[in-house]
This record gives sequence, C-alpha cells and structure tokens, in this order.
Amino acid sequence: EIVLTQSPATLSLSPGERATLSCRASQSVSSYLAWYQHKPGQAPRLLIYDASNRATGIPARFSGSGSGTDFTLTISSLEPEDFAIYYCQQRSYWPPATFGQGTRLEIK
Amino acid sequence: EVQLVESGGVVVQPGGSLRLSCAASGFTFDDYTMHWVRQAQGKGLEWVSLINRDGGSTYYADSVRGRFTISRDNSKDSLYLQMNSLRTEDTALYYCAKDMWGYGGNSFDYWGQGTLVAVSS
Repeated sequence: EIVLTQSPATLSLSPGERATLSCRASQSVSSYLAWYQHKPGQAPRLLIYDASNRATGIPARFSGSGSGTDFTLTISSLEPEDFAIYYCQQRSYWPPATFGQGTRLEIK
Repeated sequence: EVQLVESGGVVVQPGGSLRLSCAASGFTFDDYTMHWVRQAQGKGLEWVSLINRDGGSTYYADSVRGRFTISRDNSKDSLYLQMNSLRTEDTALYYCAKDMWGYGGNSFDYWGQGTLVAVSS
C-alpha cells in the first residue's frame, strides 16, 4: 500500500499570503496524484487531478506540481474561503486509493 | 448539476448490520464507476469500496473485505453499501463519491454530504 505523508500538519497564514503544501509518496505514483479541499460539514472538493490539472470550476490561484514521489499544492494568494483541510490522494496503485493524513490551513 | 445524497446512517450495535444508500442525479449514472469513502471523527479520509459501471467488478479495502458489500441499481441511479458484522472502528461519516472517469480511474470529482454510522453498544 502506498503511504502519502503530508507536511506540514498545520499551516498558519494570513489572507493574501502564499500557501505551499507538500505530499510525499512512499514510492513513485508517477503523476497520479490528486488534491482535495475539505471544510467541516461539507463534501470534499476535487481541486487538482493528475498532479497539475485543475478540476472544473477551480480558481487559477490553485496549482499543483510534482511527479514521482514529491508533490506540491500552491495557493498563490489566500482568500478567506481557502482555510480548510487539504488532502492528497494517489490512484497509481489500487486498491486501495490512499489519502494523506491532511494539512490543516488555518488563519493566522 | 451533479448531486449525490446518502442515507441510511444510524446508531447500531457491534455485530449488527446496516445498508447505506446513495441517490445520484445530474449525470448518466451507469457511465461511471462509483465509490464509498469514509472519515472517522478527527481522522482523515479512507477509501472503502468501488463498483464499476455495470456492477460486475467490485473492490474493497482490507479493513472491510468480507463484511461489506457494494452494489448498484442503474435503473434507479442508486449506489448501496451493505455493512455486516459492524465493529466500533467502522464508526464514521460515509461518503458516496463519483469517479472522475467512467472506467474507474480513482479520482473523485463529486461527493455527497455523507451519512453518519455509529457503532456502539
């Protein structure tokens, strides 16, 4: 089973700042990595698929990069609605399609 | 607009059974693989099971294999999860999720709001 490790566990930033979230896989997942945003009481939302492709309706301030074992989600300028938990997820080796443990992005 | 609405979550005793349902709308249901994903309180997301478009192929997480059964009724645009021999560690919010690709590429582009299963004596 592929293990995804996200860092940091918590990121404290202010609106307008740049956020950089990391996800490292225990072995190469090629580019088969997605990012999701999850707010309490809401359905998770797909942001990025296959490492760098924005999902439908996702603002351009969200971008993804990386391949192999190291991936990054960048939010170029934080909006108030961006504070949430972010999960990475691999689909290279399944079942299971594994998730990282999440990064909590909180307002500083 | 794609909508996924889960139902069936309740409080059940250890060893009990439960069936979750997910009603889908806004897309051609039988064109897509579907999934169940769960989240225990304070924990991350855990993929549980998937079923392909015609229901002929199913996969399970090790933690539920042999106890849970996924199924679908394409005539009713509905997904199900039969949960038997429930354990306290199955307590979680269960999400129905649509696969982004029809064949089962395992990215999830739409999710429901979830239904809560609590296993407790």
